[in-house]
Amino acid sequence: SQQGEEDPQALSIQEGENATMNCSYKTSINNLQWYRQNSGRGLVHLILIRSNEREKHSGRLRVTLDTSKKSSSLLITASRAADTASYFCATGSSGNTPLVFGKGTRLSVIA
Amino acid sequence: DAGVIQSPRHEVTEMGQEVTLRCKPISGHNSLFWYRQTMMRGLELLIYFNNNVPIDDSGMPEDRFSAKMPNASFSTLKIQPSEPRDSAVYFCASTATGEVQPQHFGDGTRLSIL
Repeated sequence: SQQGEEDPQALSIQEGENATMNCSYKTSINNLQWYRQNSGRGLVHLILIRSNEREKHSGRLRVTLDTSKKSSSLLITASRAADTASYFCATGSSGNTPLVFGKGTRLSVIA
Repeated sequence: DAGVIQSPRHEVTEMGQEVTLRCKPISGHNSLFWYRQTMMRGLELLIYFNNNVPIDDSGMPEDRFSAKMPNASFSTLKIQPSEPRDSAVYFCASTATGEVQPQHFGDGTRLSIL
């Protein structure tokens, strides 16, 4: 069953703009992870945020986590055409138990 | 450093045939996961192993599906007999031991059952 729900399902922006994707989940979590999937490829891990963290940065990526609202957001700044992909959030309850993935946001960055 | 390796990348076969998907996890990783991805249902966990032992196979849709991990460097997912509704992309992922670790995915096997 799906735990995370990404919003929007699809997003189209111009190169250079910022892209924001949101994820909501239902149960308590230990960590939340964001992954990217290029067409025809496997998922690639982007960033992990633990339940006791509120914000994390990695390059042009910024992730926030609000456990009181059971939501997270992924911001990609100064987007590039190469950022075109599907983005998934995944929640983990503890340790190396399986992640539960949402259905993803399909991002198109137009040059 | 080699990532997770899956084979074949594409498989087209007729219904009723046996299908075997293969996965080589990253060396040193202790957990291995099999997922299925479809447009309708997204990414679903089928089964996962810790230290070669199956921990949870509740996601395996039917008895037609089986998975094995005979050693730390190899796993198979078998479908017998295959049906058209099994058509999907099947992913294998592995992760290292540790409190919280990211998963590393292979590029998947695109399976089409005619």
